Amino acid sequence: DIQMTQSPSSLSASVGDRVTITCRASQGISNSLAWYQQKPGKAPKLLLYAASRLESGVPSRFSGSGSGTDYTLTISSLQPEDFATYYCQQYYSTPPWTFGQGTKVEIK
Amino acid sequence: EVQLVQSGAEVKKPGESLKISCKGSGYSFTSYWIGWVRQMPGKGLEWMGIIYPGDSDTRYSPSFQGQVTISADKSISTAYLQWSSLKASDTAMYYCVSQRDYGDYVGYWGQGTLVTVSS
Repeated sequence: DIQMTQSPSSLSASVGDRVTITCRASQGISNSLAWYQQKPGKAPKLLLYAASRLESGVPSRFSGSGSGTDYTLTISSLQPEDFATYYCQQYYSTPPWTFGQGTKVEIK
Repeated sequence: EVQLVQSGAEVKKPGESLKISCKGSGYSFTSYWIGWVRQMPGKGLEWMGIIYPGDSDTRYSPSFQGQVTISADKSISTAYLQWSSLKASDTAMYYCVSQRDYGDYVGYWGQGTLVTVSS
């Protein structure tokens, strides 16, 4: 199985801050990476796929980058509604298509 | 609009069996893969397995193989996740998910079904 390691596991930030979350795969995944946002009591929501493609309707302050084994989610200017937990998921090759352990973004 | 509507919360005792459901609408049910994701209380997301309702091709994560059964009834556009003998450690939220292709991101999520197993 491909292991996904997210960092940090949590962070505190203020509205307007630039926030970066990283995800490292245990082997190359050829940009087969998605990012999801989950708010308490809700199902996750797709933000980006193919490492850098923004899902329709997602604000442009969210962006993704990376290649090979290392990927990044960036929120350019954190908004109040962005406080949530973020997960990466690899969907390369064969199952299981594993998730990272999550990054909780909290208000400073 | 693609919608996945899951069955309601369940409270069961250890050793009991259970089958939860997920009804798809707004798309061709037999053309998308449907999977299940577990989230234990206060924990992260775990990919369990997936089925292609068109031909019932099913794949499981090794962690869940033999522990659960995934099935689908294309005549009523519904997928299922079932247990033959529940354990307390099966207590979790279970999300039904859908993706267009094998080896694809999850495009759609159900609202989740909370399963509580307690004596």
